[in-house]
Amino acid sequence: GAGVSQSPRYKVAKRGQDVALRCDPISGHVSLFWYQQALGQGPEFLTYFQNEAQLDKSGLPSDRFFAERPEGSVSTLKIQRTQQEDSAVYLCASSLSGGGARTEAFFGQGTRLTVV
Amino acid sequence: GIQVEQSPPDLILQEGANSTLRCNFSDSVNNLQWFHQNPWGQLINLFYIPSGTKQNGRLSATTVATERYSLLYISSSQTTDSGVYFCAVPAVTQGGSEKLVFGKGTKLTVNP
Repeated sequence: GAGVSQSPRYKVAKRGQDVALRCDPISGHVSLFWYQQALGQGPEFLTYFQNEAQLDKSGLPSDRFFAERPEGSVSTLKIQRTQQEDSAVYLCASSLSGGGARTEAFFGQGTRLTVV
Repeated sequence: GIQVEQSPPDLILQEGANSTLRCNFSDSVNNLQWFHQNPWGQLINLFYIPSGTKQNGRLSATTVATERYSLLYISSSQTTDSGVYFCAVPAVTQGGSEKLVFGKGTKLTVNP
């Protein structure tokens, strides 16, 4: 596609429910990132993929968070047993090369997760 | 880790006015990006500017890497310029790769 696409745009989950957020990066982009943005703050790094390899998950806040990119394209961020503190906007970004954040990153529209 | 500070935190302008947004960073960097987050939450790329000056229409940006700051200029502002402006720089993660570190943003409101 022309840009990074995320779905759903909005998700309301009951506390304890599992959710899955999808990211479709720009075609051919090697690097894929997930960020979490709390209200009034800048995005914070969660995890990084280079093709299908998850090279870095140091930003994931707990073991309830899990991400995958099995074929090196579409990625899914899964949150198990959601808690209220998981409420945030989840942003996906991709960049052309495998240089991590050294090359220009393009972001999707985000998924706004509200846990009630 | 690297710190990114943006100023001012809030800015209110009348349509047609000019403004300058500032981004300071605490360590040397090899690139810097400016984004505009519109009211619907989309982060839109404005500039990828490791150093020097770039212009795109009414917007321009200058990064002085040796002095660790970048400036975003908005001229003849329009109501559609409203939103939050972020700068971001790369930093090494605890896992050894690189991530973007964002400032807290400048919230711009342009009134008609």
